[in-house]
Amino acid sequence: DAKTTQPNSMESNEEEPVHLPCNHSTISGTDYIHWYRQLPSQGPEYVIHGLTSNVNNRMASLAIAEDRKSSTLILHRATLRDAAVYYCILRPTTSGTYKYIFGTGTRLKVLA
Amino acid sequence: DTGVSQDPRHKITKRGQNVTFRCDPISEHNRLYWYRQTLGQGPEFLTYFQNEAQLEKSRLLSDRFSAERPKGSFSTLEIQRTEQGDSAMYLCAGRQGSIGELFFGEGSRLTVL
Repeated sequence: DAKTTQPNSMESNEEEPVHLPCNHSTISGTDYIHWYRQLPSQGPEYVIHGLTSNVNNRMASLAIAEDRKSSTLILHRATLRDAAVYYCILRPTTSGTYKYIFGTGTRLKVLA
Repeated sequence: DTGVSQDPRHKITKRGQNVTFRCDPISEHNRLYWYRQTLGQGPEFLTYFQNEAQLEKSRLLSDRFSAERPKGSFSTLEIQRTEQGDSAMYLCAGRQGSIGELFFGEGSRLTVL
């Protein structure tokens, strides 16, 4: 199973941008990169996903390295509601498995 | 609100009892996942359904665990002869199509005494 590596925790000030890194050096060419976040006492929530090109949506941006061995989730202006655990996940599409493998994620603390 | 509901939200049981959890995704979710999450850990994959077919099951899942998805709609996860190590949050997620986002329910928390 392809694995991802994330820092255990990060801090950010409110209304400042946050860059959450993820390393996935064993990624294969058909693996999608997904990000989810989990607020306390809730199920994980989809944030964004991409394959090769950078992606933007209303929640965040995803910057994917040219060699695809790393990616960065960008929250443009952190709010207190963004305090959560953020998971970077590789979603294989051709290896015969359907599972999304969650690691331990990055716990983001947002300071007022 | 993701549209995925789970029941019960909390269950306390004694060791050795059987428990069953139910997940109701929205009708468009032809794919359904079960995950288990313990404190401080990320969700751990248990099993995957495509419509009513169970296509993948974790090797970590003992034979005390069984899941069904009759008619490709709701799903149930049963744990027989519960053990204290089964105490966790059990999460269900639905997805429409082959590539896309998972919609998680709020989970069913199991405490085994």
